[in-house]
Amino acid sequence: DVKVTQSSRYLVKRTGEKVFLECVQDMDHENMFWYRQDPGLGLRLIYFSYDVKMKEKGDIPEGYSVSREKKERFSLILESASTNQTSMYLCASSSPKKTSETQYFGPGTRLLVL
Amino acid sequence: AQSVTQLDSQVPVFEEAPVELRCNYSSSVSVYLFWYVQYPNQGLQLLLKYLSGSTLVKGINGFEAEFNKSQTSFHLRKPSVHISDTAEYFCAVRKTSYDKVIFGPGTSLSVIP
Repeated sequence: DVKVTQSSRYLVKRTGEKVFLECVQDMDHENMFWYRQDPGLGLRLIYFSYDVKMKEKGDIPEGYSVSREKKERFSLILESASTNQTSMYLCASSSPKKTSETQYFGPGTRLLVL
Repeated sequence: AQSVTQLDSQVPVFEEAPVELRCNYSSSVSVYLFWYVQYPNQGLQLLLKYLSGSTLVKGINGFEAEFNKSQTSFHLRKPSVHISDTAEYFCAVRKTSYDKVIFGPGTSLSVIP
C-alpha cells in the first residue's frame, strides 16, 4: 500500500515564525502536492512538484514556498507565519505513468498560528 | 476553467436509510471524476472514480456513483448507511490530459443512530 506520512499531526506556532511541514511518500511517485483545507472551501492547491527540484505554483501560493530535494520528500515552508494560515495542510502524491492515477493523501497537519 | 459544486454542505441521515450526495462539475473537455472520503482526523482516501466506460461506478464500502454527461453530474449513493459512514465527502474532477485535481467544497455526512 502507498503510504504518505506527514511530520506532525498538530502544530502551534506564533505569528512571524518560520514553519516547516514535511511530507514523505514511499511509492516512488513523481508527483507530490500540498493542499490546505478550510471549512466550506474544500481543498485548495498551494504548490505541486512533478520531479525533484521542480515546483509549480498552485491556486494559492502566496505566503508559502516549497522544497523538493529528494523524490520521496516534499516540504512546505511558511516563511513568516500569519494567523490566516491557520488551517489543515494535506500532502498527496501520485504517479503520472497513468493519467488516471489517483492521489494518495497523508493524514494531514493541523496548524494553529497564534 | 473547471469547477466542482457540491450542493449540500451537510446531510444528516438516519442509520440504514439511503443517501445521495450531489456533485456537479463544469468543464469544456472530457474529465476524470472522483469521490474521496475523509474520516475524522484523517487524510482523504479514494472511494471510487470514473475514467470511461460504464457510467455506473462501484466503489468501496457499498458506495456507487453515476456519471451523467448531459447533466454534468456525478452523484454518490449508498442504499443503506452505517454509523461508520459519518465523514466528509469530496467530489473531484481532473482533465484527462492534466494532473491538477479540482476539489469541491465537501459534504459532511452525519449518520444518526
